[in-house]
Amino acid sequence: EIVLTQSPATLSLSPGESATLSCRASQSLGNYLAWYQQRPGQAPRLLIYDVSNRATGTPARFSGSGSGTDFTLTISNLEPEDFAVYYCQQRTNWALTFGGGTKVEIK
Amino acid sequence: QVQLVESGGGVVQPGRSLRLSCAASGFSFSKYAMHWVRQAPGKGLEWVAVMPNDETTSHYIDSVKGRFTISRDNSRNTLYLQMNSLRTEDTAVYFCARDLRYYFDSWGQGTQVTVSS
Repeated sequence: EIVLTQSPATLSLSPGESATLSCRASQSLGNYLAWYQQRPGQAPRLLIYDVSNRATGTPARFSGSGSGTDFTLTISNLEPEDFAVYYCQQRTNWALTFGGGTKVEIK
Repeated sequence: QVQLVESGGGVVQPGRSLRLSCAASGFSFSKYAMHWVRQAPGKGLEWVAVMPNDETTSHYIDSVKGRFTISRDNSRNTLYLQMNSLRTEDTAVYFCARDLRYYFDSWGQGTQVTVSS
C-alpha cells in the first residue's frame, strides 16, 4: 500500500494570502496524483488530477505540481470559500489511498 | 447534471448486515466504473471498493475483503454495497463516487453507517 503524508496538518492564513500544501508518497507515483477539497458537512470535490490538470470548474488560482514522490498544491489569493480540508490521492497501486489531509483555516 | 444519491445507511449491531444503494442520474451510468469511499467520524477519506463498468474484476481495501460486496445494476443505474459482519470500525459516512481513471470526479452526499451495540 502506498502511504501519502500531507503537511502541514493545519495552515493558518488570511484571505488574499497564498497556500502551499505538500503531499509526499512512500513510493513513486509518476504523474498520477489528485487533490480534493472538502468543506465542512460536504462531500469532497475533485480539484486537480494527474498532478496538474484542473478538473471542470476548478478556479485558476488552484495549481498542482510535482512528480515522483513529492507533490504540491498551491492556492493563490485565498478566497473565503477556500478555507477547507484538502486531500491528495494516488491511483498508482491498489488500494487507492488518500493522504491524511491539510486543513486550511482562517488566521 | 451528474447526481449520485446514497441510501440505506443506519444504526446496526456488530456482526449484522446492511446494504447501501447509490442511485445515479445525469450521465451514462453503464459507461463508468463506480467506487465507494468512506469517512469515519472526524477522520480522513478511505477508499473501499470499485466496480468496473462492465462488472469484471472488482477491488476492495483489505479490511473489508470477504465481508463487503460491491455490485451494480446498469438497468437501474444503481450501485450497491452489501456489508456483512459489520464491525465498529466500519462506522463512517459512505460516499459513492464516479470514476475518472481511478480518481473520483463526482460524489454523492453520503449515507451514515453506525455500528454499535
